[in-house]
Amino acid sequence: NAGVMQNPRHLVRRRGQEARLRCSPMKGHSHVYWYRQLPEEGLKFMVYLQKENIIDESGMPKERFSAEFPKEGPSILRIQQVVRGDSAAYFCASSPPRTVQETQYFGPGTRLLVL
Amino acid sequence: LAKTTQPISMDSYEGQEVNITCSHNNIATNDYITWYQQFPSQGPRFIIQGYKTKVTNEVASLFIPADRKSSTLSLPRVSLSDTAVYYCLLNNAGNMLTFGGGTRLMVKP
Repeated sequence: NAGVMQNPRHLVRRRGQEARLRCSPMKGHSHVYWYRQLPEEGLKFMVYLQKENIIDESGMPKERFSAEFPKEGPSILRIQQVVRGDSAAYFCASSPPRTVQETQYFGPGTRLLVL
Repeated sequence: LAKTTQPISMDSYEGQEVNITCSHNNIATNDYITWYQQFPSQGPRFIIQGYKTKVTNEVASLFIPADRKSSTLSLPRVSLSDTAVYYCLLNNAGNMLTFGGGTRLMVKP
């Protein structure tokens, strides 16, 4: 049973370009979470999605950032017109349908570098 | 949001038992206590989760007193490969995880 998969693992963009980060959850998982981690800091929640629905986007910047989890295919975190401050590691986590003891399993992350 | 407090760093030697304590004075009735391990350049890895008393798996033990205002992660006989950041979090079904700064464990030979 494959774990959470993210691609690309490393992404380099110039200021003003778009970045697309992909996340394939574990088999059977229908909940996806995106987190961002700056160097030497803990992860910060960005958005929580279920298939075709955004459940909680309270951690998403109001501009340039968007996320989706379509009925088919991976979840996508999209950053438009990237700036240097967007350089960070972006982690995706998935969990099964809501249970009492919900555990999130993390992918290896995508390291975004904005030049 | 409920917060957790844990030591910034700890040092240990190979073969020793390491106990990392986490404070969570405002834990909610439906919160579970979860610990993750993170190596550099990797995603957090789930270690153990519990609600009360003691939980043990092949990797660690988790001790939770009756008032649930703290918890202790116990790593038996650590090795160099256990050097990592350990995060204590509170979670309940369907909510995002709130990560603090974690505890940086350094295991020395």
